[in-house]
Amino acid sequence: DSGVTQTPKHLITATGQRVTLRCSPRSGDLSVYWYQQSLDQGLQFLIQYYNGEERAKGNILERFSAQQFPDLHSELNLSSLELGDSALYFCASRTGLKGGYTFGSGTRLTVV
Amino acid sequence: SQQGEEDPQALSIQEGENATMNCSYKTSINNLQWYRQNSGRGLVHLILIRSNEREKHSGRLRVTLDTSKKSSSLLITASRAADTASYFCATDEETSGSRLTFGEGTQLTVNP
Repeated sequence: DSGVTQTPKHLITATGQRVTLRCSPRSGDLSVYWYQQSLDQGLQFLIQYYNGEERAKGNILERFSAQQFPDLHSELNLSSLELGDSALYFCASRTGLKGGYTFGSGTRLTVV
Repeated sequence: SQQGEEDPQALSIQEGENATMNCSYKTSINNLQWYRQNSGRGLVHLILIRSNEREKHSGRLRVTLDTSKKSSSLLITASRAADTASYFCATDEETSGSRLTFGEGTQLTVNP
């Protein structure tokens, strides 16, 4: 157990639907990062939050959004889902803004 | 987009042999990190080397960094079947400072 908790572990949904992925960072970590891992794009950075505020944005589609709540957990919302959104979605947290990242075990999203 | 290119894409060795994986990147970095991923599971942080460091050791792992060539290598000595996994390098870039950019990974298979 890395200390970063992601739920659910698996999600199967239909095209056009909306899903919410949840992440709880390691205790004491203020930063949350979201990554997408797909076969064709590899590991892509989506978005970062630090203590409730958006800090950096990567290759995140407009159909996707995220937020970090006062208790520091984060949610990634994916809407109008397409087949190509099928991927592993990872959340990571970090102590401060330097050093290694701790990744959760991921949510495997399958869009059918 | 992928910052790093990893070489080789796949590596198959016998238990007890050493495994060397290489990573090249394009921009200036704060640090370079190596991660391990067992099939379809979460990423595990292995080692971080800062831009002002040239070599770092952690157990059976040895990482080198050559900032003039924008390259790094990961050496796993006396490999074990349990080392079978995908290995990714990731750069923490000076310009972004708040995200990791991953290479495409090397799939290592250690045969018993």
